[in-house]
Amino acid sequence: EVQLVESGGGLIQPGGSLRLSCAASGFTVSSNYMSWVRQAPGKGLEWVSVIYSGGSTYYADSVKGRFTISRDNSKNTLYLQMNSLRAEDTAVYYCARGPNSGSYYYWGQGTLVTVSS
Amino acid sequence: QSVLTQPPSVSAAPGQKVTISCSGSSSNIGNNYVSWYQQLPGTAPKLLIYDNNKRPSGIPDRFSGSKSGTSATLGITGLQTGDEADYYCGTWDSSLSAVFGGGTQLTVL
Repeated sequence: EVQLVESGGGLIQPGGSLRLSCAASGFTVSSNYMSWVRQAPGKGLEWVSVIYSGGSTYYADSVKGRFTISRDNSKNTLYLQMNSLRAEDTAVYYCARGPNSGSYYYWGQGTLVTVSS
Repeated sequence: QSVLTQPPSVSAAPGQKVTISCSGSSSNIGNNYVSWYQQLPGTAPKLLIYDNNKRPSGIPDRFSGSKSGTSATLGITGLQTGDEADYYCGTWDSSLSAVFGGGTQLTVL
């Protein structure tokens, strides 16, 4: 059974850093495209970043230069390192397997990041 | 401002049919598959439709998808109160990013 479990969210002050983790089971992270998608309170879905199976990474303009997506193959885990956090980064962060033909079939339960002083 | 445009809300009575539109451009919908997601309050999105019109295992055939040019449509027939949720369309964009619609809140009256 495929499972994605995020962790690492919390309350952080503006300018701070946080690392999110997404532990995967039932499949191999390194063999798949893996993404982070976020959702600000009361707002819609916003794509954040993707890492391809080959290792290439891409970011939304809103986080480029501040966020870094990575994976640990030995732990079958996806990460999102978030630096220079801003109030507008406040959101539930979901990890998702994909895109596959542009779709995300498997999603984690999400972890809430709140950036506030 | 989302890249894909959806109506903020739609409503219909139980048992009726509703459609939700999703408008994009040639850089996204026009040249890529469209997917649709259902998000119940407090939960993660759930894939309803992929590759424009395919349903994952377990999704009832009351849900359907179509695409024409730079627009896509989600159809739901035989509406149930349990269908009340937010619905999002999504696709890939030539800018090497995923894009989503702003979401449509479905109310079953």
